[in-house]
Amino acid sequence: QKEVEQDPGPLSVPEGAIVSLNCTYSNSAFQYFMWYRQYSRKGPELLMYTYSSGNKEDGRFTAQVDKSSKYISLFIRDSQPSDSATYLCAMIPYGQNFVFGPGTRLSVLP
Amino acid sequence: KAGVTQTPRYLIKTRGQQVTLSCSPISGHRSVSWYQQTPGQGLQFLFEYFSETQRNKGNFPGRFSGRQFSNSRSEMNVSTLELGDSALYLCASSTTAETGTEAFFGQGTRLTVV
Repeated sequence: QKEVEQDPGPLSVPEGAIVSLNCTYSNSAFQYFMWYRQYSRKGPELLMYTYSSGNKEDGRFTAQVDKSSKYISLFIRDSQPSDSATYLCAMIPYGQNFVFGPGTRLSVLP
Repeated sequence: KAGVTQTPRYLIKTRGQQVTLSCSPISGHRSVSWYQQTPGQGLQFLFEYFSETQRNKGNFPGRFSGRQFSNSRSEMNVSTLELGDSALYLCASSTTAETGTEAFFGQGTRLTVV
């Protein structure tokens, strides 16, 4: 079992839909949780960063962390074609380095 | 404020050759990490440098090495290239002594080994 599992996708939704992207993890030492967006032929771009259980909102994006269930989610409201990209969850145990999920490719259709 | 700069953007090398990739972090960032990204394995951690010292190393063979200079710029080297080394190599920089928090990635160097 991989340390971080992510819905494999690909995921296609119509413009304006609410998108839910999910990751589960097995290592209870993970302290920090991030979501990155990666467009084709680009490096990952940090979207959300959190270190506690609960919700964090930034514009159309909401990150949710449930440490008791070892589950994190990213919600995108009013999705746009420009949101079409691969979304990567990433986690860090204190003092160590990132462990990334395999990514979910999202297509938002006009 | 300039982002993380990686050079070159694209490289084609032959099996058995060696290659050096460069990463210039965001000004003021002292931590630089390197990752390999492939369709099959996703993003995998190679190593991380802070203030010219390697702090963490991933599970890659000794053919993969790196270093960091006093100005925080970093290089990674891959010797005796294999076909399986074809990948997008990404570096990320961050400010903190605590590894990994809010790291910012460069555009990557796409290495093709033929």
